[in-house]
Amino acid sequence: DVVMTQSPLSLPVTLGQPASISCRSSQSLVHSDGNTYLSWFQQRPGQSPRRLIYRVSDRDSGVPDRFSGSGSGTDFTLKISGVEAEDVGVYYCMQGTHWPHTFGQGTKLEIK
Amino acid sequence: EVQVVESGGGLVQPGGSLRLSCAASGLTFNSYWMNWVRQAPGKGLEWVAKIKPDGNEKYYVDSVKGRFTISRDNAKNSLHLQMNSLRAEDTAIYYCVRSADYWGQGTLVTVSS
Repeated sequence: DVVMTQSPLSLPVTLGQPASISCRSSQSLVHSDGNTYLSWFQQRPGQSPRRLIYRVSDRDSGVPDRFSGSGSGTDFTLKISGVEAEDVGVYYCMQGTHWPHTFGQGTKLEIK
Repeated sequence: EVQVVESGGGLVQPGGSLRLSCAASGLTFNSYWMNWVRQAPGKGLEWVAKIKPDGNEKYYVDSVKGRFTISRDNAKNSLHLQMNSLRAEDTAIYYCVRSADYWGQGTLVTVSS
């Protein structure tokens, strides 16, 4: 199985400051169709996960543009340009290129 | 409005069975892969199974292979997960997910004596 490794696992951030989460995969996430199926999910306390980013850098509808995704191959990053109180929660990267699809361990973002 | 609603969770003894259901509305059901993803209490996410739009291809994570069966009824916009030979480690919230974008609120399955 593809192992997804996130860092950091805990991310205290001051309101308004930027935040960055790294995600590395144990093998390339480039699919045979040429796409890279790397997504980012946000899970607020007590809620279901919500997809923010798909195919590395495409933002889902309704997702604020302070969220951005980048990367290629095995190395990916989620950036939040200025953290707001509503961003508190756990963030997961997920690969949908190989079966079984696998998630990172999660990064807990909290306000400092 | 998009709605994905799971049902069928509950408390079951080890070795027992449960059938989860998912009712979807407000979205195009029969054109998308449908999935079950689970989350053990206080833990991360695990993709359990997925099924092709026409129902002819199904995939399972190794830990449930041979015990769980995913199925769908496109005429009724519904998805199911038959879970047999349940183990304590199957205890989790089970989410019904369309592709990867629409998630239900989840249904809790507890396997305990």
